[in-house]
Amino acid sequence: NAGVTQTPKFRVLKTGQSMTLLCAQDMNHEYMYWYRQDPGMGLRLIHYSVGEGTTAKGEVPDGYNVSRLKKQNFLLGLESAAPSQTSVYFCASSYGLDRFRAVEYFGPGTRLTVT
Amino acid sequence: ELKVEQNPLFLSMQEGKNYTIYCNYSTTSDRLYWYRQDPGKSLESLFVLLSNGAVKQEGRLMASLDTKARLSTLHITAAVHDLSATYFCAVPFMYSGGGADGLTFGKGTHLIIQP
Repeated sequence: NAGVTQTPKFRVLKTGQSMTLLCAQDMNHEYMYWYRQDPGMGLRLIHYSVGEGTTAKGEVPDGYNVSRLKKQNFLLGLESAAPSQTSVYFCASSYGLDRFRAVEYFGPGTRLTVT
Repeated sequence: ELKVEQNPLFLSMQEGKNYTIYCNYSTTSDRLYWYRQDPGKSLESLFVLLSNGAVKQEGRLMASLDTKARLSTLHITAAVHDLSATYFCAVPFMYSGGGADGLTFGKGTHLIIQP
C-alpha cells in the first residue's frame, strides 16, 4: 500500500516549457487535490476532483490544467511555465471531507523550479 | 472567501515549556484539521476536530475547537525537541462549481524547540 505517490520529485523547467505532474493513489479515494506550497503562504488549492472524469477549480487555478481519466490518477499540467509557478506541489486524496472523519492524505511533493 | 490565520507564525521555545498555537478562521465551519510538516517532507495529519467543543490529545499535543468563536488551539505540554516542525491548521471550504470541499490552510507555525 503505497498511499499517495507523485512523479517526478524534482524538475527544472525553462520559461514557456510545458510539463505534467502525475499523482497516483491506491486507497480507492474518490477525491483528489492539487496544492502548491510557497514560503510563508501555507498551502493553496489549485484544482480538485470529486471523481473520475470530473475536475473543479480551487483558489489558484490560473495557468494550470488537470485531468482525472482514471480514479487512481490525477494529472496537473503546466502548458507554458512561468517563474511564478516555481513552488512545491502536493497532491492529496480523501474519501471526501464531507464524510465523517475524512482526512486528506498527502503525497511526498514535487519541487518545481522555473527559470 | 475563507481566511485562516495562525499565530504565532514563528515560535522558539525551550524543552519542558508549555505553549499554545492559535488558529482563527473567518466563516462558519464545524470541522478543523491540524497537520504537521517536517522540513522537506510532506504533511502528516495530526487531528481532525469534528464539532464544537471537540478536544483531541496525542502525547504532548492537545487540540480543541470552539466553533462559536471560530477558534482552534494546539497546546504543547512539556515540549521536547522531536516536536520541532511546522504546524498547519486547515478548514474545509466549498469552492464554487466543484460540489465538494477543499482545505484552506493557515500559513503555518514554524516551531523550534531548543534543549
